[in-house]
Amino acid sequence: EVQLVESGGGLIQPGGSLRLSCAASGFTVSSNYMSWVRQAPGKGLEWVSVIYSGGSTYYADSVKGRFTISRDNSKNTLYLQMNSLRAEDTAVYYCARGGGVVDPWGQGTLVTVSS
Amino acid sequence: DIQMTQSPSSLSASVGDRVTITCQASQDISNYLNWYQQKPGKAPKLLIYDASNLETGVPSRFSGSGSGTDFTFTISSLQPEDIATYYCQQYDNLPWAFGQGTKVEIK
Repeated sequence: EVQLVESGGGLIQPGGSLRLSCAASGFTVSSNYMSWVRQAPGKGLEWVSVIYSGGSTYYADSVKGRFTISRDNSKNTLYLQMNSLRAEDTAVYYCARGGGVVDPWGQGTLVTVSS
Repeated sequence: DIQMTQSPSSLSASVGDRVTITCQASQDISNYLNWYQQKPGKAPKLLIYDASNLETGVPSRFSGSGSGTDFTFTISSLQPEDIATYYCQQYDNLPWAFGQGTKVEIK
């Protein structure tokens, strides 16, 4: 069964850093496009970043230069390193298999940026 | 960047009703359009990909159509378990963009 489990969310002060993890099972992360999508409380979905199977990475303008997507092939895990966090980064962060057509999604991890 | 305009933002319909949601892209995206369902407190789930292809395991009462800039998502006979917010998403060009969502409720 294909499954994605995110972790690493929590409460962080503005300007701080956090690394989200997404452990995959049932498929190989490095052979797939993998994405991060976020959802602010009560709001819609916002694409954040994608890493292609070849290793190319792309970001939304809102996080470019502050967030870094990566993967650890030995752990079959996707990461999102988030630096210089702002209040507007508060959201549930979902990892998902695919780029473009995105499915399945993990259960999400909540990141709250607040002093 | 491509903008996706989805309407209505919410609707209320009776069980058994036909429900239609529209999504308009700000430029031609061919058929690079997906539809997702998000139930309260849950992660989104892919229902339709490439505008009109039903994802495996998704009930046939769900369908999608359109190409270019105008797309339609239909639930042919609304069921109680279809209560959710539905999102369109384009993936013709980065940054991929979602519509604002349509919240579907039972009347």
